[in-house]
Amino acid sequence: GAVVSQHPSWVICKSGTSVKIECRSLDFQATTMFWYRQFPKQSLMLMATSNEGSKATYEQGVEKDKFLINHASLTLSTLTVTSAHPEDSSFYICSAREGQGGYTFGSGTRLTVV
Amino acid sequence: AQSVTQPDIHITVSEGASLELRCNYSYGATPYLFWYVQSPGQGLQLLLKYFSGDTLVQGIKGFEAEFKRSQSSFNLRKPSVHWSDAAEYFCAVGNFGNEKLTFGTGTRLTIIP
Repeated sequence: GAVVSQHPSWVICKSGTSVKIECRSLDFQATTMFWYRQFPKQSLMLMATSNEGSKATYEQGVEKDKFLINHASLTLSTLTVTSAHPEDSSFYICSAREGQGGYTFGSGTRLTVV
Repeated sequence: AQSVTQPDIHITVSEGASLELRCNYSYGATPYLFWYVQSPGQGLQLLLKYFSGDTLVQGIKGFEAEFKRSQSSFNLRKPSVHWSDAAEYFCAVGNFGNEKLTFGTGTRLTIIP
């Protein structure tokens, strides 16, 4: 089946630094990938839709200058949290659309900003 | 706009007992419906999905779900739960044109011996 690899699985960074999270589709091409944020014991909140070769589409209330998304190839999308602050600490999950209507999720990245 | 409601925040079931997790959706046309399971600190694993056709959908790990258009529901069932089924379960709705998935708030399943 379709596999999405997300790295790193966890990261700790200092406040003010930037962190990059990678999302790769391993055995299929993903023209569209999605980035979610999940707070403890809550549901997934869609942050943005990443489209290969074009600008990402951000959901209302998500700062596009803070959460930079790049989808330069059909198998890789990256999310960079710029100038991270403790309130950015969260669980970030990517997913990729494969085929008609199928969505595969990465294993998530736990970001802790200290 | 599409939306999903999972009325039960937390359910506790005895091992070996049957399980039903409720999901109601709101969407104008025929939706795509999904059930995902998430273990702590992990990503989401697809249990099953409904796009069209037979309204009773079989998934992995012995789960099934039934799409009922008249009730706008897509409840997840399992005849006999195992301790390893303890996790968070999310129902999600999507559509062909939009591509976005909207998730419910999740139901946490606890299994007791």
